[in-house]
Formats: sequence, C-alpha cells, structure tokens
Amino acid sequence: SYELTQPPSVSVSPGQTARITCSGDALPKKYAYWYQQKSGQAPVLVIYEDSKRPSGIPERFSGSSSGTMATLTISGAQVEDEADYYCYSTDSSGNHRGVFGGGTKLTVL
Amino acid sequence: QVQLVESGGGVVQPGGSLRLSCAASGFTFSSYGMHWVRQAPGKGLEWVAFIRYDGSNKYYADSVKGRFTISRDNSKNTLYLQMNSLRAEDTAVYYCAKEYRASDAFDIWGQGTMVTVSS
Repeated sequence: SYELTQPPSVSVSPGQTARITCSGDALPKKYAYWYQQKSGQAPVLVIYEDSKRPSGIPERFSGSSSGTMATLTISGAQVEDEADYYCYSTDSSGNHRGVFGGGTKLTVL
Repeated sequence: QVQLVESGGGVVQPGGSLRLSCAASGFTFSSYGMHWVRQAPGKGLEWVAFIRYDGSNKYYADSVKGRFTISRDNSKNTLYLQMNSLRAEDTAVYYCAKEYRASDAFDIWGQGTMVTVSS
C-alpha cells in the first residue's frame, strides 16, 4: 500500500525556520496537503495543493514540492506553532484513497 | 458558522457493530464530498473513507474495506459510517471532515467521537 514518510520529530528555537519533509512515490503526480494538530484538538489545514495557504493561516507557513518530496516550512517559528504536523495525499491509482504521513512532532523551545 | 458534529461512539465488543453520524450545518452539505478519518489513542491520523457529494462513489482504506460502509442523507445534512465486524484495532477517535474546494483533501473537521472495541 502507498506510504508517505515524515521524520518523527523536528526541533527549533523560536524565530528559527522549521522544515518538515514528506516523501512519497506519487507526489510528482499528486498534491500534498499539510495539517497541524495541537494536543487534544482536531487537525487544521495549513497548506493545500502543495503550496497554497488557506485564509486565516499565518504567512510564516509555506509549502513546496519537488519530485517525490514535499516540504512544509515555518519561517520564524513561534512557540504556539508547537504541534504535530501531518502530510496528506492520495495514491495514484485513481481510487481517491487518502493516506497520511506518520506525523512530525515540532518542538519550539 | 460551518460545523460538523459527530455522534454514536461508544464501547462495543469485538465482532460487534456501531453506526456513527455526523450532522453538518453552516454550508450546503449536498455540494461537498465528505470523509471519515480516525486516530487511535496516541497514534497518527488514518484516512478511512470518502463519499462524493451525491453519494455516487465511495472509497475505503484497505483496513476497513468490506467491514465499513459510508453513506449520506442530503435531505438531513447527515453523514454516516456503519461499522461492522469491529476489531480492537478499530479503537480510535473518529472524525468526519468536509471536502475542501473539490480537492482530494478536507478543511473543516468535527470534534470527533470515540469508539472503543473491547471485551
């Protein structure tokens, strides 16, 4: 079955740039989406279609995709950005079957 | 405002059944596809199923195919997940989520409902 691979954890100091990667064989053909989940809360969409930001999401959140890797970048990470981040995409079978990466715990301290 | 409210979770024995509901409000429910996503305690997110806006097509994760059925009643603005032959590994918080702009993903999530499969 199709898999998306993320690093388990990323740690930065406040004000630094955090980068979280997501690799998957179908990413050259399929969009990546990124979700932020804070403890005890439902996830929030922070990036859609590789690099677009929904309304209300701070400009410090950006996304990119090249080949089989998508990247979420948080420029000038804030303490309130500490959360679990999940990439999401679909496989290339055309069956609209979604898949999440394993999640990355971002620590900002 | 846009809101999704799940219900129907609880404790069920292995092999049992449960039906989850998701009541939608604040948007035109019949215009959007809907997803179910789950999260086992302390674990990551797992996509479960998707249904198109008109119910014409349904898609499932391999882990639930043949046991779970997604459906919707657009006249009641409600999404359902019928879960049969439940296993311990189905224990999770189940979220419903609204399709985002006819994309593969979703933007609005409910608060989730807990399903525990245990004897």
